[in-house]
Amino acid sequence: NAGVTQTPKFQVLKTGQSMTLQCAQDMNHNSMYWYRQDPGMGLRLIYYSASEGTTDKGEVPNGYNVSRLNKREFSLRLESAAPSQTSVYFCASSLGGSDQPQHFGDGTRLSIL
Amino acid sequence: ILNVEQSPQSLHVQEGDSTNFTCSFPSSNFYALHWYRWETAKSPEALFVMTLNGDEKKKGRISATLNTKEGYSYLYIKGSQPEDSATYLCALRSRGTYKYIFGTGTRLKVLA
Repeated sequence: NAGVTQTPKFQVLKTGQSMTLQCAQDMNHNSMYWYRQDPGMGLRLIYYSASEGTTDKGEVPNGYNVSRLNKREFSLRLESAAPSQTSVYFCASSLGGSDQPQHFGDGTRLSIL
Repeated sequence: ILNVEQSPQSLHVQEGDSTNFTCSFPSSNFYALHWYRWETAKSPEALFVMTLNGDEKKKGRISATLNTKEGYSYLYIKGSQPEDSATYLCALRSRGTYKYIFGTGTRLKVLA
């Protein structure tokens, strides 16, 4: 069972470069999320998509854009990468109901020099 | 901005000890609280989803309780084992939103 698949697993960028992180889920989930994880900060929500066709900002959206391409896929784009965006990025999905947990991908480790 | 707080930040216990952690959150507009277990080099895995005041959930040696009126949840581990070593996260969802706010976690180390 694939679950939530993130690509790539690792990436190094130079400041100012752009990049898209891909996320796909095969569980027919309605809601999808992008988080970043930094030491001592826990998981912080960047953007989320409650359902296909909708996206909303989370706690830390600046410098990012997202696309909910279809029900399966939710991509995160860095238009002009900055060193402050060095982090581990996690994608998650959920059916969306109050009693439904989130399922996480394995993460993308992104370093920006 | 909602604040979800977890305590303690880290904890070392001996194998066989029982332990518990706290997740505190604003009680207004409560909708759901999740607990996740996060092992090093892996991704978070759901332990419990709690929605009702007074909820008690159990999975093996791990259990959780919820008090939405006073804004806290406890996670208990009975007879800790080295494989329980992980970071335990709680996440709050408020009514009217699909957003989750995570605490910074409690890092548990169980010493053999």
